Amino acid sequence: AQSVTQPDIHITVSEGASLELRCNYSYGATPYLFWYVQSPGQGLQLLLKYFSGDTLVQGIKGFEAEFKRSQSSFNLRKPSVHWSDAAEYFCAVRRITGGFKTIFGAGTRLFVKA
Amino acid sequence: GAVVSQHPSRVICKSGTSVKIECRSLDFQATTMFWYRQFPKQSLMLMATSNEGSKATYEQGVEKDKFLINHASLTLSTLTVTSAHPEDSSFYICSARDTGASGSSFLLKSSTDTQYFGPGTRLTVL
Repeated sequence: AQSVTQPDIHITVSEGASLELRCNYSYGATPYLFWYVQSPGQGLQLLLKYFSGDTLVQGIKGFEAEFKRSQSSFNLRKPSVHWSDAAEYFCAVRRITGGFKTIFGAGTRLFVKA
Repeated sequence: GAVVSQHPSRVICKSGTSVKIECRSLDFQATTMFWYRQFPKQSLMLMATSNEGSKATYEQGVEKDKFLINHASLTLSTLTVTSAHPEDSSFYICSARDTGASGSSFLLKSSTDTQYFGPGTRLTVL
């Protein structure tokens, strides 16, 4: 069965420190991969996506993610976290063919301390 | 970029009443829209896929008679929660699929096949 695992329910980092949010997926083949951010009471905003090509993708707000096929992972990173980055982050996958259904991970809540 | 709107953003209703939530794609045509439900501190769970001009496809465990979905036009899908009860209180989020076919070019490229999310509707049933 297809699944997305975000092993960290919440993470706390200091402002200015680096960040890495983990995401692993289980799929029959390499799917499309996404990271979304959700502020409290808000909808989802797409940070970045991987379809093919360069396995290191750049997104908005200084985020990047690296796709590692051998590890079935798509971890999100940011070199220097800002207080405004505090939010919920969701990793998601979507199969390439045969439908448009997107499966979301459970999310990781990011807390940023001064 | 493409925008998806939802109305209302927040609604409080009495138990037993019905509530309609609208989802609109503002600058593109969406033949497919999706409805998600999100419980507090949890992820999004797909409820149903709404296809313009045809019946919605519901996920396993979702009551189609309780959550009525209508996708009457290429820019509007509605979700009606019928006979709402407190356990239906949740955050409902819609999304719309932009295949990139609304413009002059009808070449469908996977990179333009994007899913945009609405801001969500907070439903509270008393």
